[in-house]
Amino acid sequence: DAMVIQNPRYQVTQFGKPVTLSCSQTLNHNVMYWYQQKSSQAPKLLFHYYDKDFNNEADTPDNFQSRRPNTSFCFLDIRSPGLGDAAMYLCATSREASGSLSGRNEQFFGPGTRLTVL
Amino acid sequence: DQQVKQNSPSLSVQEGRISILNCDYTNSMFDYFLWYKKYPAEGPTFLISISSIKDKNEDGRFTVFLNKSAKHLSLHIVPSQPGDSAVYFCAASASGANNLFFGTGTRLTVIP
Repeated sequence: DAMVIQNPRYQVTQFGKPVTLSCSQTLNHNVMYWYQQKSSQAPKLLFHYYDKDFNNEADTPDNFQSRRPNTSFCFLDIRSPGLGDAAMYLCATSREASGSLSGRNEQFFGPGTRLTVL
Repeated sequence: DQQVKQNSPSLSVQEGRISILNCDYTNSMFDYFLWYKKYPAEGPTFLISISSIKDKNEDGRFTVFLNKSAKHLSLHIVPSQPGDSAVYFCAASASGANNLFFGTGTRLTVIP
């Protein structure tokens, strides 16, 4: 079955220790997204890749970086995790047209990685 | 600044009755709206969507209503089933933008 896979499902890291979260997809979608969801809050978009083009949200801290080496994989790097970065991190994909037709297709989500910062 | 709001964190409904989940938005540029359903330990899954050129979209037991003047949409589930118990997220997007803006979710419990 085509799907969005996130590894690991649970990640524990220490304050200040860099961590990388992984997302892969078998849907061959051109857009990949990373969302942060804190407890009882709405998922919040951190950034997305439209093909190889990186699009950062204005309020995403510099501490968060992303890489997309190919269509299938996308990584979220947290350079120096703080206690406030503990959250669920959701990866999503969609097949999007450009321009005015963007945002009209559903996003497919992975199961998420729950990050704990000690 | 929460642009999409779901003011009811939880809702309980008897099996067989109607479930109505509500969502309000503030950004008049939003013209496409989606509902996602999330089970524990899984990612959100797409349920139903509606474009701003419509005021209703129906898919089986699920119907979404859009009131543009009130900037309000609602999801109706009828009849409700125990398997519908999940967290429901409302989301919105604007033409030409890839980002979705989500609400905080409503936890629906359908009581057998």
